[in-house]
Amino acid sequence: GAGVSQSPSNKVTEKGKDVELRCDPISGHTALYWYRQSLGQGLEFLIYFQGNSAPDKSGLPSDRFSAERTGGSVSTLTIQRTQQEDSAVYLCASSGGWETQYFGPGTRLLVL
Amino acid sequence: DQQVKQNSPSLSVQEGRISILNCDYTNSMFDYFLWYKKYPAEGPTFLISISSIKDKNEDGRFTVFLNKSAKHLSLHIVPSQPGDSAVYFCAASLYSGGGADGLTFGKGTHLIIQP
Repeated sequence: GAGVSQSPSNKVTEKGKDVELRCDPISGHTALYWYRQSLGQGLEFLIYFQGNSAPDKSGLPSDRFSAERTGGSVSTLTIQRTQQEDSAVYLCASSGGWETQYFGPGTRLLVL
Repeated sequence: DQQVKQNSPSLSVQEGRISILNCDYTNSMFDYFLWYKKYPAEGPTFLISISSIKDKNEDGRFTVFLNKSAKHLSLHIVPSQPGDSAVYFCAASLYSGGGADGLTFGKGTHLIIQP
């Protein structure tokens, strides 16, 4: 497909386990964003990648969160030692630089 | 501290009438504003945007109005259709596209179009 894809679509994990979420941006888009939407809240910006440049990690909620972008394309968001408050929908978006952001369907994470 | 506020969690409008969704912001440095629409279990879909140098932008049934002095924007949908029932998010950024600070979102307004 031509849109942003994310996997898995749903993830249930136990507290304390690590999880890895994947995002495939639209082909040719240089900018990639991760957001989180907790229940009843708006989208919270987490991190931004422009091409292969090192991201600003200051928006990540804690040091248990990390993100990578390999080859300027696919990105993974990793949450170590998950906590119940990490339960949320994790959304990825991409854009062609200064253009509009297009979102993927999200990964619904539930930490038990 | 919420920088983008959507004070109406839900709005019910009759089919064919005008839907008006409101959004307020506090950061006067925001330069670019967007509306996204979200259906359950899907990601947000871009609807319409406006730059701070404009006060109105139209796209078909959707019009966004910006009042910079009041730090207020609104989305008008005319006429409202059943397929418009969704959650609408207002978003703002310092730069077109978001840039390193991403987009700042409101909590959303659930629009319900009644037949």
